Amino acid sequence: AQSVAQPEDQVNVAEGNPLTVKCTYSVSGNPYLFWYVQYPNRGLQFLLKYITGDNLVKGSYGFEAEFNKSQTSFHLKKPSALVSDSALYFCAVRDRYSGAGSYQLTFGKGTKLSVIP
Amino acid sequence: DAGVIQSPRHEVTEMGQEVTLRCKPISGHNSLFWYRQTMMRGLELLIYFNNNVPIDDSGMPEDRFSAKMPNASFSTLKIQPSEPRDSAVYFCASGEAFFGQGTRLTVV
Repeated sequence: AQSVAQPEDQVNVAEGNPLTVKCTYSVSGNPYLFWYVQYPNRGLQFLLKYITGDNLVKGSYGFEAEFNKSQTSFHLKKPSALVSDSALYFCAVRDRYSGAGSYQLTFGKGTKLSVIP
Repeated sequence: DAGVIQSPRHEVTEMGQEVTLRCKPISGHNSLFWYRQTMMRGLELLIYFNNNVPIDDSGMPEDRFSAKMPNASFSTLKIQPSEPRDSAVYFCASGEAFFGQGTRLTVV
C-alpha cells in the first residue's frame, strides 16, 4: 500500500519570503513523486515530478522539490513567494514497480498556501 | 490540443436521478483516471483505464457508480441512482499530468 502525508493543513508566508510545503510518503518499492497545484474552482495543474536521478527537481512557476529517501520526504519549495502562489497544493506518490499498466496515484489531503502581501 | 474536456461543468439533480459525467482525454494518452474531490475525503481515485480497459475500479464506492471508456477519445462516469452524499467535484485526468476542469455535482 502507498500513502502520502501532508502534515500542514495551511501554510502562511509573507510575499518575498521562501516557502516550504511538506510531504512525506510511504511505498513498498521506489517512488515516483508529484506535486500539483489547484486554484479555486479549477482542476489540478501539474508542477513537477521526481522519477530518478538528481534529488532536486525543478518545475513550473519557479517551484522545486527535494527528494530525501532516508526521510521519505518530498518537500515543495520556492525561494521567493508571490501572492499569486496562494492556492491548494497536493503531493502524490506512485510505486515505480506497481505492476504492468498500473498508474495509480495516491494523493495527500492538500495544503492551503496563503501568501500575504 | 484543448486539454482534457469535461462536461457538464456543473450539474444539479434530484436524488434518485441518473447522472452521467463525460470526459474527452488528450489524444494519444493511454491512461485515463476518474477522481472525486470532497472537503471531507480529499481526492479519491475512483477508477482508471489503460488503453480503454478498466485496470482498477476498487475506488468506485458502490454499485451505483459505473464507468466506461468505449474508445480512446471518450469516457463516462454514471451514477444511478444518485444520492446527496454523491455531491462532490469529479475530475477526469489524462495521464498523470493533465486534469480536466472538473464537474461540480450537487444532488438535492
